[in-house]
Amino acid sequence: QKEVEQNSGPLSVPEGAIASLNCTYSDRGSQSFFWYRQYSGKSPELIMFIYSNGDKEDGRFTAQLNKASQYVSLLIRDSQPSDSATYLCAVNGMDSNYQLIWGAGTKLIIKP
Amino acid sequence: EAGVTQFPSHSVIEKGQTVTLRCDPISGHDNLYWYRRVMGKEIKFLLHFVKESKQDESGMPNNRFLAERTGGTYSTLKVQPAELEDSGVYFCASSQVQGTGNTIYFGEGSWLTVV
Repeated sequence: QKEVEQNSGPLSVPEGAIASLNCTYSDRGSQSFFWYRQYSGKSPELIMFIYSNGDKEDGRFTAQLNKASQYVSLLIRDSQPSDSATYLCAVNGMDSNYQLIWGAGTKLIIKP
Repeated sequence: EAGVTQFPSHSVIEKGQTVTLRCDPISGHDNLYWYRRVMGKEIKFLLHFVKESKQDESGMPNNRFLAERTGGTYSTLKVQPAELEDSGVYFCASSQVQGTGNTIYFGEGSWLTVV
């Protein structure tokens, strides 16, 4: 059973601070790693994807991947109240026929 | 450019009734996926179309669920007869290509409540 684990939260972070979201996965054959943001009542929205070890930066967001330890993280710098949402981690790979395997999501609350 | 659209956005039906959900993918996207999220659970894959062909339907929960994509354009997901545990959000998504790093675009979801 391929699994993706996330802390459900809520994770509360003061405005302007760095929010750190973590995700672990069980399938060593996973190749691509995605972070989606989902506002209440809305569909998941892709923020970033990463498939090489190391860091990938896009604006205030940084995705970090460590395949040896089987974890991927998302850092949000200068957190804004509008960042408050549920963040979903998803992975895929050849073994799963590239279908997304999802975590349950971490609820992030940015306090003004 | 229009995104992935789904209809209906919300439906409430009685146990035993039939519901048909529709998804219109982004134009030109050969890959169409159905996912669902039931209350308190993570999003789960249901099936994947490449054009009109079912590439992978390993996530379909049982034979009460039937998905079609005639002509390789829009897709329908029929639940017949609906059961209480079918309540949840059904997401449709599409992508141009499949594989490492491909971008999958999601619709707003069809929220189904079975009473």
